[in-house]
Amino acid sequence: ETGVTQTPRHLVMGMTNKKSLKCEQHLGHNAMYWYKQSAKKPLELMFVYNFKEQTENNSVPSRFSPECPNSSHLFLHLHTLQPEDSALYLCASSQERLVASDLRTDTQYFGPGTRLTVL
Amino acid sequence: TQLLEQSPQFLSIQEGENLTVYCNSSSVFSSLQWYRQEPGEGPVLLVTVVTGGEVKKLKRLTFQFGDARKDSSLHITAAQTGDTGLYLCAGESLGTYKYIFGTGTRLKVLA
Repeated sequence: ETGVTQTPRHLVMGMTNKKSLKCEQHLGHNAMYWYKQSAKKPLELMFVYNFKEQTENNSVPSRFSPECPNSSHLFLHLHTLQPEDSALYLCASSQERLVASDLRTDTQYFGPGTRLTVL
Repeated sequence: TQLLEQSPQFLSIQEGENLTVYCNSSSVFSSLQWYRQEPGEGPVLLVTVVTGGEVKKLKRLTFQFGDARKDSSLHITAAQTGDTGLYLCAGESLGTYKYIFGTGTRLKVLA
């Protein structure tokens, strides 16, 4: 148990469906992340939220829409996905801090992931 | 684009054997982390190395950061079935302070 929970753990959806993934962290961290993990590819950073503000969007298609209502919760809204979007979606959180005017990231704690299958 | 290549990609060994996993890049990193990920779970941090040439030990696992901070290795002594999993390295990019993940090494230890 890392202090980061994700729901649902498994999701099967059609290309026309709309669904949302949820992540919650109980660690008091100020930064949250969405990653995509596909077979045979490195873990890909999708979005970063720092103090509820989106600070990074790694060229992610608009069919993925993140939402961060507060520093403990992060959502990933999905609509009109493609079969190639099938993957394990991982949420992580960390404590970011300013070190000599640079924003440094401490250890990232990952949730168990949501296994998404798009038919 | 910074890349972290891990080798081997797959490794299947008998319990009790030793093994080494490598993580290589042409880029310099501020620090490097090793994670283990078990099926159905997210990655769990094993260690962070920061200084060039640094060696850290975690029971039967020995981690080394290259002198130039471009590469790292993970050595497991007397592997156990519980060591089975996906091993990921992640480098903290100089200047941007973002983590770049390696391609992963999938280890299977047979009883």
